[in-house]
Amino acid sequence: DGGITQSPKYLFRKEGQNVTLSCEQNLNHDAMYWYRQDPGQGLRLIYYSQIVNDFQKGDIAEGYSVSREKKESFPLTVTSAQKNPTAFYLCASSRSSDEKLFFGSGTQLSVL
Amino acid sequence: SQKIEQNSEALNIQEGKTATLTCNYTNYSPAYLQWYRQDPGRGPVFLLLIRENEKEKRKERLKVTFDTTLKQSLFHITASQPADSATYLCALYTGGFKTIFGAGTRLFVKA
Repeated sequence: DGGITQSPKYLFRKEGQNVTLSCEQNLNHDAMYWYRQDPGQGLRLIYYSQIVNDFQKGDIAEGYSVSREKKESFPLTVTSAQKNPTAFYLCASSRSSDEKLFFGSGTQLSVL
Repeated sequence: SQKIEQNSEALNIQEGKTATLTCNYTNYSPAYLQWYRQDPGRGPVFLLLIRENEKEKRKERLKVTFDTTLKQSLFHITASQPADSATYLCALYTGGFKTIFGAGTRLFVKA
């Protein structure tokens, strides 16, 4: 089955620690995205990538970093500079910029 | 400022009735609007897309309208079932790689 796989489902971060969230897709989509979801708020765009080896900041990129070394993979690192990291993180992909988004099942990140 | 507003209060309806959810936006000129369904602890799933030059779109029991003058979209689920209970997200495609999401409306369908 084609789709997007996010791991882990739950992740805990200690003070000062960097953590990496995994996102893999087998839909052969060029575009990939990372969104953050907080209770009562709409999804907010962290980073997106149009193509391999290229990525752009979204609306709330501070404290996050990404890489796009392979078409299938778009990992997100939550750095220690992100002071309020507790949220539900969603990875998505699309065939092109103006197509519908396919989402993974999300990673819940909490701070210990 | 740019805003997307969806009913923040949950919508409770009886099975078999039509659920109507509202999405209002300000200061955007979206090329198209989408609706997604999200279950607790899961990622959103795409339901319908309607373009700015379309007034209405249907898919099975779902119907979406899009009024660019009123800056509003209505999402209808007819003959609602308990399995339709979920949060429904409105999303505007504003160009480039930017899709802006509303906070969603929670729907409860009682048997």
